[in-house]
Amino acid sequence: DAKTTQPTSMDCAEGRAANLPCNHSTISGNEYVYWYRQIHSQGPQYIIHGLKNNETNEMASLIITEDRKSSTLILPHATLRDTAVYYCIVRVAIETSGSRLTFGEGTQLTVNP
Amino acid sequence: EAGVAQSPRYKIIEKRQSVAFWCNPISGHATLYWYQQILGQGPKLLIQFQNNGVVDDSQLPKDRFSAERLKGVDSTLKIQPAKLEDSAVYLCASSLLRGENTGELFFGEGSRLTVL
Repeated sequence: DAKTTQPTSMDCAEGRAANLPCNHSTISGNEYVYWYRQIHSQGPQYIIHGLKNNETNEMASLIITEDRKSSTLILPHATLRDTAVYYCIVRVAIETSGSRLTFGEGTQLTVNP
Repeated sequence: EAGVAQSPRYKIIEKRQSVAFWCNPISGHATLYWYQQILGQGPKLLIQFQNNGVVDDSQLPKDRFSAERLKGVDSTLKIQPAKLEDSAVYLCASSLLRGENTGELFFGEGSRLTVL
């Protein structure tokens, strides 16, 4: 699976949009971009994933550049409960063997009041 | 829908002792994973099961770690004998298989192991 690069930490004001970047310059054509987050003392939680097109769900939006070498996770109105470590992961969809995810160090997002 | 259940939540043992962690995945999830998360690091996959067969155990320290998933449902991860460096949170996750596979893993809250 391709390697990803994320900033170690970021801060965001409550109520503002949080934009978390991720570089994945070696991504292959069949690799998806996934985002998970991990709130302190909990297991990681799935947020969103995409292949080429931008995606949006009730939690966040995922913007993938046209060359697919980078992406941005957007939390439109960050709250204090969004304080967590955010992981960007690229992964091949292996239909016959389930979802193998390789986690990096992630970005510690702190939402300030 | 019930989530992934893990026990115990916390365990403290001395080095060279043994410990076992239990996981009950979400009903109907064919794939089960055990991850190890050392403080300050991202989770690292130890072993992946599909039903009751092992798909990937390449990062499992087989001299001291073992895992089984009898009957393709619950799973147990055992460490014997434990070392200081095994202090970590052990996370269990499960996912659907094949055509329903969106890549979404559901994680339990983890079992925190401290080896003294």
